[in-house]
Amino acid sequence: AQSVTQLGSHVSVSEGALVLLRCNYSSSVPPYLFWYVQYPNQGLQLLLKYTSAATLVKGINGFEAEFKKSETSFHLTKPSAHMSDAAEYFCAVSDQSGYIPTFGRGTSLIVHP
Amino acid sequence: NAGVMQNPRHLVRRRGQEARLRCSPMKGHSHVYWYRQLPEEGLKFMVYLQKENIIDESGMPKERFSAEFPKEGPSILRIQQVVRGDSAAYFCASSPGQASTDTQYFGPGTRLTVL
Repeated sequence: AQSVTQLGSHVSVSEGALVLLRCNYSSSVPPYLFWYVQYPNQGLQLLLKYTSAATLVKGINGFEAEFKKSETSFHLTKPSAHMSDAAEYFCAVSDQSGYIPTFGRGTSLIVHP
Repeated sequence: NAGVMQNPRHLVRRRGQEARLRCSPMKGHSHVYWYRQLPEEGLKFMVYLQKENIIDESGMPKERFSAEFPKEGPSILRIQQVVRGDSAAYFCASSPGQASTDTQYFGPGTRLTVL
C-alpha cells in the first residue's frame, strides 16, 4: 500500500521568496514520485517526476524536488516565487508493482506582492 | 498533437438524470484513467481502461457508475440517476504506457453540478 501526505493545505509566500511545499510518502517498495500543478479550472500538469535516477530532480518553471529516502520525503522547492506560481500543487506516489499513482490532498500556493 | 480532450467542460443535471462525460486521449495513448476531485480534496482514482477493456475499476462506486473505452471513439464515464453528492470535477488522463512510470496527461476536466 502507498500513501502521500502533504503538510499544509495552504502555503502563503511573498513574491521573490523561497517556495517550499512538503510531501511525505509511504511505500513498501522503492517509489516513483511526482509533483503536479493545477491552475484554476484546468487539469493537472506534470512539474517533475522521480523514477530512481538522480535524487535531485529538476522540473519546469524553475521547480525542483529532492528525494530523501531516510526521511521518506519529496519536498518541492523554488528559489523565487512568481505571482504566476499561484496554483494547487499535488504530490503523487506509485511503485513498479502498481500502475495507478496515489495523490495527496493538495497544497494551495498563494503568492502575494 | 492535441492534448487530452474532455467534453462537456461543464454539465448541469437534475437529480435522477443521467450524466455522460467524454474523454479523448492524446494521439497514440491507449491507457485512460478517470479521477474524481471533490472540493478541498485530491484526486481519487476511479477506473483504468485500455481499449475495449476495463483493467481496474476498484475506485468506482458499485452502483450507477460505469465506464467504457471502445475500439473507436472516446472513453465515456456514465453516471445514472445522479445525486447531489456526484457534484464534482471529473478528470480524465491518458498515458502511452502504465501510469506508474509513464507520465499521465490530464484533460481540463468536466465540472458536474447536480441540482
